[in-house]
Amino acid sequence: DIQMTQSPSSLSASGGDRVTITCQASQDISNYLNWYQQKPGKAPKLLIYDASNLETGVPSRFSGSGSGTDFTFTISSLQPEDIATYYCQQYDNLPYTFGQGTKLEIK
Amino acid sequence: EVQLVESGGGLVEPGGSLRLSCAASGFTFSTYSMNWVRQAPGKGLEWVSSISSSSSYIYYADSVRGRFTISRDNAKNSLYLRLSSLRAEDTAVYYCARVLTMGNSGSLAYWGQGALVTVSS
Repeated sequence: DIQMTQSPSSLSASGGDRVTITCQASQDISNYLNWYQQKPGKAPKLLIYDASNLETGVPSRFSGSGSGTDFTFTISSLQPEDIATYYCQQYDNLPYTFGQGTKLEIK
Repeated sequence: EVQLVESGGGLVEPGGSLRLSCAASGFTFSTYSMNWVRQAPGKGLEWVSSISSSSSYIYYADSVRGRFTISRDNAKNSLYLRLSSLRAEDTAVYYCARVLTMGNSGSLAYWGQGALVTVSS
């Protein structure tokens, strides 16, 4: 199975900050990488697909980059409603695997 | 509007069985692959199973293979997951999820609200 290693596991930032989360795959997954946002008690929401494509309706402050084994997710200016846990997920190979999550909190 | 509504969750004893259903609406169900993803309490996301649009291709996580069965009824716009030989570690919220496009089998763009399965005596 492909292991997805996300960092950090938690992050505290202030409103307006630029926030970056990284995800490393245990092998080359090309650009088959998604990013999800999950708020407490809610289902995950797809934000970024194929490493860098913004899903329809998702604010442009969210972005993704990378290919191969190293990926980055960025929020350019943190908003209060962005408080959530974020997950990366690879779909290059089955089983699809997720990172362990990054819990984002407001300072 | 795409909607996915799970049902069938509940409390079941270890070794027991349960069937989850996912009713789909707002899209042509028969043309999309579907997935089940679970989340144990306070834990991360775990992909469980996938089924192609015509049920020709079915895949399972190692942790559930041989115990869970995914199926679909395109005439009824419904996805199912039969859970058998349940263990305490199967306790989780189970989500059904639709892929983003017919050509993208792994980006899960639409999710149901989840169904809680609790395995306990």
